[in-house]
Amino acid sequence: SQTIHQWPATLVQPVGSPLSLECTVEGTSNPNLYWYRQAAGRGLQLLFYSVGIGQISSEVPQNLSASRPQDRQFILSSKKLLLSDSGFYLCAWNTGGFWNTEAFFGQGTRLTVV
Amino acid sequence: QKEVEQNSGPLSVPEGAIASLNCTYSDRGSQSFFWYRQYSGKSPELIMSIYSNGDKEDGRFTAQLNKASQYVSLLIRDSQPSDSATYLCAVRSGYSTLTFGKGTMLLVSP
Repeated sequence: SQTIHQWPATLVQPVGSPLSLECTVEGTSNPNLYWYRQAAGRGLQLLFYSVGIGQISSEVPQNLSASRPQDRQFILSSKKLLLSDSGFYLCAWNTGGFWNTEAFFGQGTRLTVV
Repeated sequence: QKEVEQNSGPLSVPEGAIASLNCTYSDRGSQSFFWYRQYSGKSPELIMSIYSNGDKEDGRFTAQLNKASQYVSLLIRDSQPSDSATYLCAVRSGYSTLTFGKGTMLLVSP
């Protein structure tokens, strides 16, 4: 069966510090991978998605970046965090293809920028 | 701009009642529809998926889809306090990514 791992679970970082969140998927090949952010009281905002190694699409302009160095690894980074980067960051995956498929989420990282 | 609209709630129902959660979407070409449940502080978990007009039942959950009205709903029968959570509606068109609504908070009182 497929599983998705995301770490760390919680993170407190000072403004201006760098960020690296990692996500890996097991049990599948060539998944679509996604980074979402959920700010307090708000909906899920898609930040980045990737359909293959080295292929990253950005949905919103910001000081965050994403990379996919391996088929089942997705990394979210920032060089300098802003207070507004606080939120609940979620990695998700689904199988590629035209029809459906459901997206499955990791456990999330609660980021607080202070 | 694809939009998915949900009433933010909270929707309050007594234990044992039927909870009805609604969602409308703007992209008439949408083909795949999903309901996720999200407990406070946790990540969303998939409850139901529906792709064709009509009803789809899974245990106490029934998803209903009406593409002509661009409307999808989730019914929860015999609601339990453990069903108290935020329910997210998500929609996909073809190769596009999922678009989520902001969610409806459901409160089931004992």
